[in-house]
Amino acid sequence: GESVGLHLPTLSVQEGDNSIINCAYSNSASDYFIWYKQESGKGPQFIIDIRSNMDKRQGQRVTVLLNKTVKHLSLQIAATQPGDSAVYFCAENLSGNTPLVFGKGTRLSVIA
Amino acid sequence: NAGVTQTPKFRVLKTGQSMTLLCAQDMNHEYMYWYRQDPGMGLRLIHYSVGEGTTAKGEVPDGYNVSRLKKQNFLLGLESAAPSQTSVYFCASRPLYGTATQYFGPGTRLTVL
Repeated sequence: GESVGLHLPTLSVQEGDNSIINCAYSNSASDYFIWYKQESGKGPQFIIDIRSNMDKRQGQRVTVLLNKTVKHLSLQIAATQPGDSAVYFCAENLSGNTPLVFGKGTRLSVIA
Repeated sequence: NAGVTQTPKFRVLKTGQSMTLLCAQDMNHEYMYWYRQDPGMGLRLIHYSVGEGTTAKGEVPDGYNVSRLKKQNFLLGLESAAPSQTSVYFCASRPLYGTATQYFGPGTRLTVL
């Protein structure tokens, strides 16, 4: 099995419930934020992004909220499904050319 | 459109052996990156490239070398593998303009005995 993320914080939710995954970012000058999903044995997969001039963005079953005052980012997943079980992590971009800074991640476990 | 591909998927090396990991992308992206991912450590940047013929060090560059001879390829080399380099290696790429989102390959699991 996949050993990446062995000691990550875990969020367990019932199938059908909504999930909220939180991320605290480090730099108030970051202008772009991204959420990734990483399933066991796979590479990180882009979910949704948001620019710093927005405070909310919605996708299919996912919403990202940005609170610049407290440097906090959240990912909301509606009607969580077993296929949503994965490690989720946020990334921040300080400026256009600098590499992304990644958070450590949260493991989402969906209980059927 | 295959996106980002990595070769090989798995490899076992003995201490002191050398190898090269290949990353290829068909999206005409300018930027390419090599990361390693270890339990509890998240993604750590090894080296990156902002264009053909250019490379730069990331957070954990020691023991690795890279080359970007062609825009679509980014090679990661281990000259003398050590057990501490046992990890899962991911390559990523992104375009020059429009987004900072990086797109990742499927990873290479490397074990150094």
